[in-house]
Amino acid sequence: AQKVTQAQTEISVVEKEDVTLDCVYETRDTTYYLFWYKQPPSGELVFLIRRNSFDEQNEISGRYSWNFQKSTSSFNFTITASQVVDSAVYFCALSIGRNQGGKLIFGQGTELSVKP
Amino acid sequence: GAVVSQHPSRVICKSGTSVKIECRSLDFQATTMFWYRQFPKKSLMLMATSNEGSKATYEQGVEKDKFLINHASLTLSTLTVTSAHPEDSSFYICSARLRGQGERNTEAFFGQGTRLTVV
Repeated sequence: AQKVTQAQTEISVVEKEDVTLDCVYETRDTTYYLFWYKQPPSGELVFLIRRNSFDEQNEISGRYSWNFQKSTSSFNFTITASQVVDSAVYFCALSIGRNQGGKLIFGQGTELSVKP
Repeated sequence: GAVVSQHPSRVICKSGTSVKIECRSLDFQATTMFWYRQFPKKSLMLMATSNEGSKATYEQGVEKDKFLINHASLTLSTLTVTSAHPEDSSFYICSARLRGQGERNTEAFFGQGTRLTVV
């Protein structure tokens, strides 16, 4: 069975703090894709990153960075120097196989609140 | 980029009526679209996979007679909530997968979502 767990339901930080959102996944497939999405209060899903199971390189994009570790089945997301605009619900998601794009299994989401 | 438009963004309907939600891929062809449902403060749950020209595949526990899905063209899928009840109130969001091979099949693009309130 496939599963995504985001153990942190809510996180509250003060602006400029660094924050890490955890994501642990379960799958027996060797080919899979991991995603992070941001969902602001308006509801739309904003794509942040996609990572395939064969690429364990960490990635940095501005204040965002991702740490993918197959050994621990984790795909954690760090925001450095957080800003109020980062306040949103963040979802980690998993899709299985090369032809399963779009069929996503979502984690429960982490609600991040960044206070000024 | 690939744009998916979902309409309406908000709808309020009376209990017992039916509501249709449209999901359109504006600048690409999508042989496959997906419909998700999100309860307040909850995760997104896949309801069904919509394939152009064939019947939708529903996830376990989703009533196919309640949630009718039609994918009549390569750019349009519709979700109709029939005989809506207050418990159907939710956020519904669609995604569309690019028609292509290999890595292109791993991409999907989300619509803006539809907030349905049944009174």
